[in-house]
Amino acid sequence: QVHLVESGGGVVQPGRSLRLACAASGFTFSRYAIYWVRQAPGKGLECVAAISYDGTNKYYADSVKGRFTISRDNSKNTLFLEMNSLRPEDTAVYFCARDGASYGSSSYSCFDYWGQGTLVTVSS
Amino acid sequence: DIQMTQSPSSLSASVGDRVTITCRASQRIGIYLNWYQQKPGKAPKLLIYAASSLHSGVPSRFSGSGSGTDFTLTISSLQPEDFATYYCQQSYSPLALTFGGGTKVEIK
Repeated sequence: QVHLVESGGGVVQPGRSLRLACAASGFTFSRYAIYWVRQAPGKGLECVAAISYDGTNKYYADSVKGRFTISRDNSKNTLFLEMNSLRPEDTAVYFCARDGASYGSSSYSCFDYWGQGTLVTVSS
Repeated sequence: DIQMTQSPSSLSASVGDRVTITCRASQRIGIYLNWYQQKPGKAPKLLIYAASSLHSGVPSRFSGSGSGTDFTLTISSLQPEDFATYYCQQSYSPLALTFGGGTKVEIK
């Protein structure tokens, strides 16, 4: 059974840093791209970062480019999001989500499994 | 990044109604279009992928259509559990997937 569990959220002051983690189980983690998706209170969904199955390719939304870093440890089935220079507008629930198109498959990319989310609040 | 525009942003409907939500891409994306349902306080759930393919376990009253730039999600007969917010997502750009702004379906 596929599980994604986020951790590391909390309350942080503007300008400070926070590191989120997403622990995966129930599937071959090293074969799938994984995404961080955030949702500000009362707002829609935004993909903020993504990493390919082997970590060689990464994507960042313009809103976080230069401040956030996505990484993964395939030996530990864990995804990370290092968030620096945090701003109040980064306040959101952060979800990790699996791309259902595994490496080498001909499937279409889509987010077939999601974690429950972790809340990040940036406030003084 | 490819921009996705959904309409309407919200709608009111009754149980049993046929509901249609549209999504437009800022450039042609073939059938690289997914639909999700989200209920308050929960993670989104995949409904439709590749524009018209029903994800495992999703009721057949949900259907998707379209290609190129214009897409539609249809709920043939709205059920009480379908009141939620729906999002489209393009998957044309590898790793740079983007969502529409969402459509909230409320009870009339």
